[in-house]
Amino acid sequence: QQPVQSPQAVILREGEDAVINCSSSKALYSVHWYRQKHGEAPVFLMILLKGGEQKGHEKISASFNEKKQQSSLYLTASQLSYSGTYFCGTVGAGSYQLTFGKGTKLSVIP
Amino acid sequence: EAQVTQNPRYLITVTGKKLTVTCSQNMNHEYMSWYRQDPGLGLRQIYYSMNVEVTDKGDVPEGYKVSRKEKRNFPLILESPSPNQTSLYFCASSLSRGAVGTQYFGPGTRLTVL
Repeated sequence: QQPVQSPQAVILREGEDAVINCSSSKALYSVHWYRQKHGEAPVFLMILLKGGEQKGHEKISASFNEKKQQSSLYLTASQLSYSGTYFCGTVGAGSYQLTFGKGTKLSVIP
Repeated sequence: EAQVTQNPRYLITVTGKKLTVTCSQNMNHEYMSWYRQDPGLGLRQIYYSMNVEVTDKGDVPEGYKVSRKEKRNFPLILESPSPNQTSLYFCASSLSRGAVGTQYFGPGTRLTVL
């Protein structure tokens, strides 16, 4: 099943913070985060593994709560370049299938 | 340059006419996969391959075939395309080593089936 992302869309002013949530109904081994700009391919942000947390970028970080099967992506002091659609992808325990959520559209305005 | 290439980038075809979308990577990656992207539905995995001659179904495999005869290539075959397969398709690859790693996506193929 696809993980559920929330919110579906968010509008921020430059400098504001945002949190994007991702939850799954199955036990997870890893959570992936990607950003896609309009008309382009998705680009990797970070992976969070069971038992650990990885920070991929200075102002973009994420957490992974294994017990709740949830992950959150934190964007601080947003910049115009942060605009795009953010996807979380999940890999279940013992699986090699990567399942993406429906995405969260983030718009940063001046 | 390390990359995933897809061809063609754009394709308009008619119902029932067999087509193949090619995907190639030059990073010696073990894991390759195909996704389709439709508005409001996100990225849905069609098939994936852990290595040569090893493929498995993703979430939406109906109407598609794949093969992995060489490590670098992972073509997507539509034997009898239908209008509901009109979509944006992405191929991706990653270095596996027993787990699903960072996905490197190709530029996408926009397919229209009339």
